[in-house]
Amino acid sequence: ENVLTQSPGTLSLSPGERATLSCRASQSVSSSYLAWYQQKPGQAPRLLIYGASSRATGIPDRFSGSGSGTDFTLTISRLESEDSAVYYCQQYGSTYTFGPGTKVEI
Amino acid sequence: EVQLVESGGGLVQPGGSLRLSCAASGFTFSRYWMHWVRQTPTKGLVWVSRINSDGSTTNYADSVKGRFSISRDNAKNTLYLQMNSLSAEDTAVYYCARLSVTTGGVAFDVWGQGTMVTVSS
Repeated sequence: ENVLTQSPGTLSLSPGERATLSCRASQSVSSSYLAWYQQKPGQAPRLLIYGASSRATGIPDRFSGSGSGTDFTLTISRLESEDSAVYYCQQYGSTYTFGPGTKVEI
Repeated sequence: EVQLVESGGGLVQPGGSLRLSCAASGFTFSRYWMHWVRQTPTKGLVWVSRINSDGSTTNYADSVKGRFSISRDNAKNTLYLQMNSLSAEDTAVYYCARLSVTTGGVAFDVWGQGTMVTVSS
């Protein structure tokens, strides 16, 4: 199983700042199969990024994804208060796995 | 509006059974692979099962294999998860999710609101 590790566990920033979230895989991941999700309390996850760097429909351009192989990054360029949430990376290889999440506090 | 709505969760005793449903609307349900994902505070998001578009292929996480059964009724636009021999470790919020496959990548692009399953005596 491809284990995903996310860092940091919690990120506390101010509005307007830049957030950089890391996702590291224990085995190489095809970029096509790496996605990022946002989850707010009491809500289902929402797709932000697919294919490592493509924004999902309706996602603001302040969200961007990058990376390849075993190291991937989600960047939120100008934080807004509504971005407070937990962010998960997810991969598909032989099975589907999710990272433990990074909590972003604003 | 593209939507998935789960139902069927609740409190069940250890060893019991439960069937979850996921009603789809706003898209051509029969064209998509569908999945179940569960979430707990301790284990986070965990993939449970998937079924292909016509229901002929199913796969399961090792933790539920032999106990859970995924199925679908494309005429009713509904996905199901039959859960048997439940234990406390199956306590979770269960989400159904649509898998989107494009040239750009593969991801769960639509999620239901989740249904809570609690296994306890």
